[in-house]
Amino acid sequence: DAKTTQPNSMESNEEEPVHLPCNHSTISGTDYIHWYRQLPSQGPEYVIHGLTSNVNNRMASLAIAEDRKSSTLILHRATLRDAAVYYCMLTGGTSYGKLTFGQGTILTVHP
Amino acid sequence: DAGVIQSPRHEVTEMGQEVTLRCKPISGHNSLFWYRQTMMRGLELLIYFNNNVPIDDSGMPEDRFSAKMPNASFSTLKIQPSEPRDSAVYFCASRGTGSTNEKLFFGSGTQLSVL
Repeated sequence: DAKTTQPNSMESNEEEPVHLPCNHSTISGTDYIHWYRQLPSQGPEYVIHGLTSNVNNRMASLAIAEDRKSSTLILHRATLRDAAVYYCMLTGGTSYGKLTFGQGTILTVHP
Repeated sequence: DAGVIQSPRHEVTEMGQEVTLRCKPISGHNSLFWYRQTMMRGLELLIYFNNNVPIDDSGMPEDRFSAKMPNASFSTLKIQPSEPRDSAVYFCASRGTGSTNEKLFFGSGTQLSVL
């Protein structure tokens, strides 16, 4: 499985934008980029995913580099509720969409 | 929609006992995943079912672990005999019938403590 690399932790202030980076230099042409987050004491929840083009939804935006070797999850206005572990993962066409979780980025949001 | 339902929420048992964890996927979903989460190893995929058939069980740690999906609305993960190192949070997730890149919906997990 192609690997992803994320910073261990990041901090933000409430109501400020947050840019969470992810490197995936060995990504293949069929790999989708997925982001999930896990709030304390809860199961992971889907945030966003994309293939080549940037994606937006009500939770966040996903900016994908032109060479697809990196991506950035953007939270436009962080709230205290956004404090969580954020996971960036790849799913390939031959892995039935298997999600392999790494260590993720712990996001701390300060009031 | 009630989401993915797991039971029990918490389970405390003694070493050597049999433990059965239960999962009800979202109605209409045809893929089901069992994950385990520990501080040391993070989230690990144990087994994946598609249309009630186990497709990949390479993550199942050993023969003490078994999983079944007798129908589209129910799955179990059994540990027999249980050991203290099995203590973890076990998550079940389901996915709809579209692309394999559709999102997974996770349950709230079962916190297992083996004494």
